[in-house]
Amino acid sequence: QVQLQESGPGLVKPSETLSLTCTVSGGSFSSYYWSWIRQPPGKGLEWIGYIYFTGRTDYKPSLKSRVTMSVDTSKKKFSLTLSSVTAADTAVYYCARDIGDGSLDFWGQGTMVTVS
Amino acid sequence: SSELTQDPAVSVALGQTISITCQGDSLRSYYASWYQQKPGQAPVLVIYGKNIRPSGIPDRFSGSNSGNTSSLTITGAQAEDEAEYYCFSRDSSGNSRVFGGGTRLTVL
Repeated sequence: QVQLQESGPGLVKPSETLSLTCTVSGGSFSSYYWSWIRQPPGKGLEWIGYIYFTGRTDYKPSLKSRVTMSVDTSKKKFSLTLSSVTAADTAVYYCARDIGDGSLDFWGQGTMVTVS
Repeated sequence: SSELTQDPAVSVALGQTISITCQGDSLRSYYASWYQQKPGQAPVLVIYGKNIRPSGIPDRFSGSNSGNTSSLTITGAQAEDEAEYYCFSRDSSGNSRVFGGGTRLTVL
């Protein structure tokens, strides 16, 4: 069974950089798109972007200037950095596996990040 | 604003059938996937592709597509189906992804 686990600081100061890592266990790491999604308190889901196992990325246009994703296939990990954060970036951040057609079949449990 | 549009809230009587819809231009070309999210939990994939249920998802959940609309249908809704439902698909560029705004389902 594929499992994903987010890790990283739960508190980030305004104007600083948010950094999260997702560790994948079970299953193959290749041939999948590894995604980040966030959910502000009381609001809906927002797709942030994905990184393919080859390193190719695609980001939500409105976040593109602040987002960077990277992947370490040997460790089955992928990461998100979001720069110049504000209170609007406060959210639960999820990592998930995209099987390539825009379907997210496995998700991490989510990690709350507060910007304050 | 989201490129996929969902009704904010719907309700269904216990045991009845409800369809939750998702509209967007990209749905003319791409399938939507559907997610169930209960409070405090991560979303769960319930339907993807043409009408595929992941292992463990009850067969009362089904999906369909017509034109620019994708629908999730729950036939014989149960109390445990009360949740927020999100559609997700590619955007009009075909590369990026986008979520619908979500539909809160209440089972009466």
